[in-house]
Amino acid sequence: DAKTTQPTSMDCAEGRAANLPCNHSTISGNEYVYWYRQIHSQGPQYIIHGLKNNETNEMASLIITEDRKSSTLILPHATLRDTAVYYCIVRVGRGGSRLTFGEGTQLTVNP
Amino acid sequence: EAGVAQSPRYKIIEKRQSVAFWCNPISGHATLYWYQQILGQGPKLLIQFQNNGVVDDSQLPKDRFSAERLKGVDSTLKIQPAKLEDSAVYLCASSKGTGGDTQYFGPGTRLTVL
Repeated sequence: DAKTTQPTSMDCAEGRAANLPCNHSTISGNEYVYWYRQIHSQGPQYIIHGLKNNETNEMASLIITEDRKSSTLILPHATLRDTAVYYCIVRVGRGGSRLTFGEGTQLTVNP
Repeated sequence: EAGVAQSPRYKIIEKRQSVAFWCNPISGHATLYWYQQILGQGPKLLIQFQNNGVVDDSQLPKDRFSAERLKGVDSTLKIQPAKLEDSAVYLCASSKGTGGDTQYFGPGTRLTVL
């Protein structure tokens, strides 16, 4: 699975959009971009995933660049409950199974 | 729908002792995973089961760690004997199938080895 690079930490004001970047310059054509988050003392939680097109669900939006070498997770209206470590993971969507977690980005949402 | 259940939530043992963790996946989920998460790091896969068969145990320290999933439902992860460096959170996850299916994680068991 391709390696990802994320900033160690980010801050965001409550109610504002949180934009979390991820670089995955060695991504292969059949690899998906997955985002999970881990709130303190809890297990990781799935957020969203995509292959080429931008994706949106009730939690977040995922913007993938045209060359697929980077992506951005957007939390449109961050709340204090969104404070967590966010992991960007690249993996083969069909046939692959292992989630290889890096160290992620610690997002702190401030009041 | 009930989530992934794990017990105990916390465990403190002396080095060289043995310990076991239990996981009950989401009903109907065929695939079960055990991850180890050391403080400040992301989770690392230890072993993956598809029903009651092992799919991937390449990162499991087999000299001291063992896992089983009898009957393809619940699973137990054992460490014998424990070392100081085994102090970590042990996370269980499950998914409906294999491949790209979403994994759902339990709350984890925090192990402290003294």
